[in-house]
Amino acid sequence: TQLLEQSPQFLSIQEGENLTVYCNSSSVFSSLQWYRQEPGEGPVLLVTVVTGGEVKKLKRLTFQFGDARKDSSLHITAAQPGDTGLYLCAGHKLGVTGTYKYIFGTGTRLKVLA
Amino acid sequence: DSGVTQTPKHLITATGQRVTLRCSPRSGDLSVYWYQQSLDQGLQFLIQYYNGEERAKGNILERFSAQQFPDLHSELNLSSLELGDSALYFCASSAGSGSYEQYFGPGTRLTVT
Repeated sequence: TQLLEQSPQFLSIQEGENLTVYCNSSSVFSSLQWYRQEPGEGPVLLVTVVTGGEVKKLKRLTFQFGDARKDSSLHITAAQPGDTGLYLCAGHKLGVTGTYKYIFGTGTRLKVLA
Repeated sequence: DSGVTQTPKHLITATGQRVTLRCSPRSGDLSVYWYQQSLDQGLQFLIQYYNGEERAKGNILERFSAQQFPDLHSELNLSSLELGDSALYFCASSAGSGSYEQYFGPGTRLTVT
């Protein structure tokens, strides 16, 4: 069962456009991370959000954690070709056995055309 | 550069064979995680080790096993390989056992023919 659903799955936009990627779950997470992965490389951590309602900005990227800590969004302003890649959210939660579980979302593949 | 190293970068082998993938975590990190990423698929968590002990298990097949050594490097052993095992295998490390920020290595691309 995939606990973290991302939408859209694919997105192709022109340079300069804005976009939002969503990461949704029915579970509450202790924290949530966003990663970007380029073809053939490992994911690179972009940001961590911990508090419900938290907003973090990283240059043209704005990340928000939902108030209930079940969902998150990534907004990119004035997208550039260098933003092209696979965006992954990942949630961190304490499992029923007392160990932490770390779950990756289904991914959003973004292509920004020059 | 995340500080996590993985070897080899590419591996081509035949069905039925056994291979070992190696990972060295970032300096000071005690946890190592292994993931499998098939073509156009998301990251599937396989297993986590913390300071030499298995900490969490994901969707790891019985044909696969891993261990973490006293110097904290880790190895993922894949045996009786099948065509469907062809994938990118990533190792990640983090500071603690429940640390939520993971740093990924460059991956090993395994091709089973």
